Amino acid sequence: AQTVTQSQPEMSVQEAETVTLSCTYDTSENNYYLFWYKQPPSRQMILVIRQEAYKQQNATENRFSVNFQKAAKSFSLKISDSQLGDTAMYFCAFMKLGGAQKLVFGQGTRLTINP
Amino acid sequence: SQTIHQWPATLVQPVGSPLSLECTVEGTSNPNLYWYRQAAGRGLQLLFYSVGIGQISSEVPQNLSASRPQDRQFILSSKKLLLSDSGFYLCAWSIRGQESSPLHFGNGTRLTVT
Repeated sequence: AQTVTQSQPEMSVQEAETVTLSCTYDTSENNYYLFWYKQPPSRQMILVIRQEAYKQQNATENRFSVNFQKAAKSFSLKISDSQLGDTAMYFCAFMKLGGAQKLVFGQGTRLTINP
Repeated sequence: SQTIHQWPATLVQPVGSPLSLECTVEGTSNPNLYWYRQAAGRGLQLLFYSVGIGQISSEVPQNLSASRPQDRQFILSSKKLLLSDSGFYLCAWSIRGQESSPLHFGNGTRLTVT
């Protein structure tokens, strides 16, 4: 079974700073997807970014980018020029290929952006 | 565009009472559907998923059940609620047959069992 670990329960940075959230996972699969979801105080889960394991190039979405290290089974999220609206819980998730797209989530990191 | 509706938004129920949470998806056909539960301060745990009408897979043994009476309708139920059923329940959908499809979540239902 796959597991996802987020070792930082909480983080706090000043607005405009860069912050990196850590995520490691354990799997014997070779092909899979990794995701970062954001859950603001409204509790809605919002997809931030995704990475295909077969791609060596790190995914980027505007101010959000990932550092995907397949051999180390590490998938960190970097938020550049952080904004107050980035305050949220961030969840790392793993999905193996085949069948229904079942996500395995980490425990989450609560990120607070301070003005 | 696709939308997912989940209701009610909040619910307070006594122990032993029945439960019915409903989720519907619009703007897509034949979706995969999912029920997740989020306990306070924790990540999401997959409870059920469905790849078609009447096809339900359970991921963890529990006091809950799920049904899919129509293609875009997914219902989470219980005959008798337990205190441990309290939590935040999220419905989600994905594109069937597209491996890269992410999950798209509803706004969730906060259930408090008293």
